[in-house]
Amino acid sequence: GIQVEQSPPDLILQEGANSTLRCNFSDSVNNLQWFHQNPWGQLINLFYIPSGTKQNGRLSATTVATERYSLLYISSSQTTDSGVYFCAVLDNNNDMRFGAGTRLTVKP
Amino acid sequence: DTEVTQTPKHLVMGMTNKKSLKCEQHMGHRAMYWYKQKAKKPPELMFVYSYEKLSINESVPSRFSPECPNSSLLNLHLHALQPEDSALYLCASSQDKYTTQETQYFGPGTRLLVL
Repeated sequence: GIQVEQSPPDLILQEGANSTLRCNFSDSVNNLQWFHQNPWGQLINLFYIPSGTKQNGRLSATTVATERYSLLYISSSQTTDSGVYFCAVLDNNNDMRFGAGTRLTVKP
Repeated sequence: DTEVTQTPKHLVMGMTNKKSLKCEQHMGHRAMYWYKQKAKKPPELMFVYSYEKLSINESVPSRFSPECPNSSLLNLHLHALQPEDSALYLCASSQDKYTTQETQYFGPGTRLLVL
């Protein structure tokens, strides 16, 4: 089945810093989503981005489908950005498969 | 409204108990999902309902029994669980399982502890 790899596994930042999270996938995809899981467990949709670039405030994402990777950019990070960021794709059965996540800690 | 609700938020049960988790959405979605998430791991798919019919069972033990009474509701019945079943159980919905260009929306989850 499709493999989804995220890096780095852990990231610690000082408030105000910028960061880039990466998601590599092993096969072509028609659907890729980025989620933020807050410390209470809620998964929040950030981007639906099978290709191209999108921006939403301090967050932006780029997916290069031909090279099988996606990047999530966080600028001017805040303590509320802490949590786990997941990349997820649909496999051949249209079932969602998650990467292992990047655990982000933003320190004040 | 992109809200998926789940009850209860927390549940503690013994290995001989029977309990149920509930999930509800009013977005008109026709696909609903149960995921299990262990600590420090990503969510893993357990069940998918498409148009109120179970379309996938990821070889989940029979002590977990899903039910989809109508297109807005999804239940997960629990019986004779083991301590290793303690996890966060997430419900999600999407417009249609077979449409690739769409988003899944997740509920806040139920934290289950089996003693």
